[in-house]
Amino acid sequence: AQSVTQLDSQVPVFEEAPVELRCNYSSSVSVYLFWYVQYPNQGLQLLLKYLSGSTLVESINGFEAEFNKSQTSFHLRKPSVHISDTAEYFCAVKPDTGRRALTFGSGTRLQVQP
Amino acid sequence: NAGVTQTPKFRVLKTGQSMTLLCAQDMNHEYMYWYRQDPGMGLRLIHYSVGEGTTAKGEVPDGYNVSRLKKQNFLLGLESAAPSQTSVYFCASRLGLVTTSSTDTQYFGPGTRLTVL
Repeated sequence: AQSVTQLDSQVPVFEEAPVELRCNYSSSVSVYLFWYVQYPNQGLQLLLKYLSGSTLVESINGFEAEFNKSQTSFHLRKPSVHISDTAEYFCAVKPDTGRRALTFGSGTRLQVQP
Repeated sequence: NAGVTQTPKFRVLKTGQSMTLLCAQDMNHEYMYWYRQDPGMGLRLIHYSVGEGTTAKGEVPDGYNVSRLKKQNFLLGLESAAPSQTSVYFCASRLGLVTTSSTDTQYFGPGTRLTVL
């Protein structure tokens, strides 16, 4: 079985400041890793994912995440946030083979203040 | 191409009533999932299906039933609603083929907000 821990339930940050949202996972098998974003009153949208290859993955809107196998982490970072980044962010994992669904963390609410 | 759609968007039920949530996808995906989202708990898997005519239990299946009679539709039923089932329900689908890792992405619907009084 897999589990995901997002230690920070809320992260307040000022506009244009850097931010890091932490994600740690546990799994007995190799996994794929995902970050999803949920804007207010909307469904989840895929932000970025790590499947294989380079451990640093980037999204089109400036977020990046680095897969660290030894620390079982997949932290999400952005060097300069905007008001429009205010949302809830979910880290998720899935075994890299088989039919399993995603296992989600409890989410981190990013609140960008002017 | 509408992606994943869910109906209804909102619903209020009284304890003991029944209802069915419909999920539809037009991407020819094999795999479909039902999750519930509760504050501070992320998304938890209720049931899933790996193809037409097949269903399986997820993490929190009690009180729910599902059916996948057509590949594009995945129905979630509540036979006797309870206040504990007040939640936001999300459907998701995935291509399901294992030929390439790039197909391993779940696409989510907009959600159904259910309140059980």
